[in-house]
Amino acid sequence: DAGVIQSPRHEVTEMGQEVTLRCKPISGHDYLFWYRQTMMRGLELLIYFNNNVPIDDSGMPEDRFSAKMPNASFSTLKIQPSEPRDSAVYFCASSLMDGGTDTQYFGPGTRLTVL
Amino acid sequence: GQNIDQPTEMTATEGAIVQINCTYQTSGFNGLFWYQQHAGEAPTFLSYNVLDGLEEKGRFSSFLSRSKGYSYLLLKELQMKDSASYLCAVRHYNNNDMRFGAGTRLTVKP
Repeated sequence: DAGVIQSPRHEVTEMGQEVTLRCKPISGHDYLFWYRQTMMRGLELLIYFNNNVPIDDSGMPEDRFSAKMPNASFSTLKIQPSEPRDSAVYFCASSLMDGGTDTQYFGPGTRLTVL
Repeated sequence: GQNIDQPTEMTATEGAIVQINCTYQTSGFNGLFWYQQHAGEAPTFLSYNVLDGLEEKGRFSSFLSRSKGYSYLLLKELQMKDSASYLCAVRHYNNNDMRFGAGTRLTVKP
């Protein structure tokens, strides 16, 4: 059974360019989360979706960041324009709200470097 | 809001026992999670507590006291591969919003 899939695994771009990160959640999961991790700030929740609907985007740093989930099997996080301070590892995670632990399963992450 | 505190770094010896503490303040509580994260990898789920008490899973155990806003992760019979960061995370009541602590970097020495 495939876990959460993210692409690309590594992205190097120049300041001002648009960056699109992609995520495929675990099939059947109804929650999808985008996180950002840096040494300085740790793991931060950016936005999460329930049944493809954004529930809380209060963690999105600014208007340069946007996220979409057009269907249950795909989500994107876009940064436009990118800045050097956006350099981080971006994780996507998914979970199933079944009244149990509702554990979040993380993808391998996308390591973004903005020059 | 949520404040989650855990030590930044710990060191222990192979074969020993180590306890990693986590304290939290939250306006609503709906479960506490521990994740393990090896350098350059994604966090992986270790344990979950929603009621007070101890949950044991092999060499790992996790304890929760909701009244004290306190949890610990206990690792027994430490192995070199246990060297990693351990993240404490608190889920907010009535939604699936989960906030992570900064993590504790554990180094296991021979």
